[in-house]
Amino acid sequence: SQQGEEDPQALSIQEGENATMNCSYKTSINNLQWYRQNSGRGLVHLILIRSNEREKHSGRLRVTLDTSKKSSSLLITASRAADTASYFCATDGWGAQKLVFGQGTRLTINP
Amino acid sequence: EAGVAQSPRYKIIEKRQSVAFWCNPISGHATLYWYQQILGQGPKLLIQFQNNGVVDDSQLPKDRFSAERLKGVDSTLKIQPAKLEDSAVYLCASSPGAVELFFGEGSRLTVL
Repeated sequence: SQQGEEDPQALSIQEGENATMNCSYKTSINNLQWYRQNSGRGLVHLILIRSNEREKHSGRLRVTLDTSKKSSSLLITASRAADTASYFCATDGWGAQKLVFGQGTRLTINP
Repeated sequence: EAGVAQSPRYKIIEKRQSVAFWCNPISGHATLYWYQQILGQGPKLLIQFQNNGVVDDSQLPKDRFSAERLKGVDSTLKIQPAKLEDSAVYLCASSPGAVELFFGEGSRLTVL
């Protein structure tokens, strides 16, 4: 069963704008990760945030985690055409090594 | 550092036929995963190995799917007999510590 649910399912913005994607999950987690998937390719790890962290940055990426609301957001600032991809959140629970992915947000950056 | 290698990249078969996918993980990665990704959906874990032992295969349809990881390195995933609903991309991933996953390019299966 899918643990994370991304919102929106699809997002289309202009190059240079910021993109925000949200992920909600149902059970307590140990870590939450975000992955990117370009069309026809494998997934690439972007960032990991632990359950005791609230915010994390990596380059143009900013991830927040609210464990009380069981939700996370991924912000991509100053978007570029190369950011066009699907973005997935993935969670693993305490004591469980299994990483469960959500359905993904399909992001399109228009030039 | 070489990435996760998968083959074949594409396979087209008719229903009831069999197919096998191969995965070579990143050297030294103890954990290996097979995920199934149906078009428009997120990856679904089929089986997870730690070295050559199975950690989780709860979502593997064992009546038709099998997987092995001999010697704790390469792995094969087999489907026999295939059904139409098995059409998907089969992703192999490996991890040094069961946290960040490194994915291969995937094997796209079309069942006619």
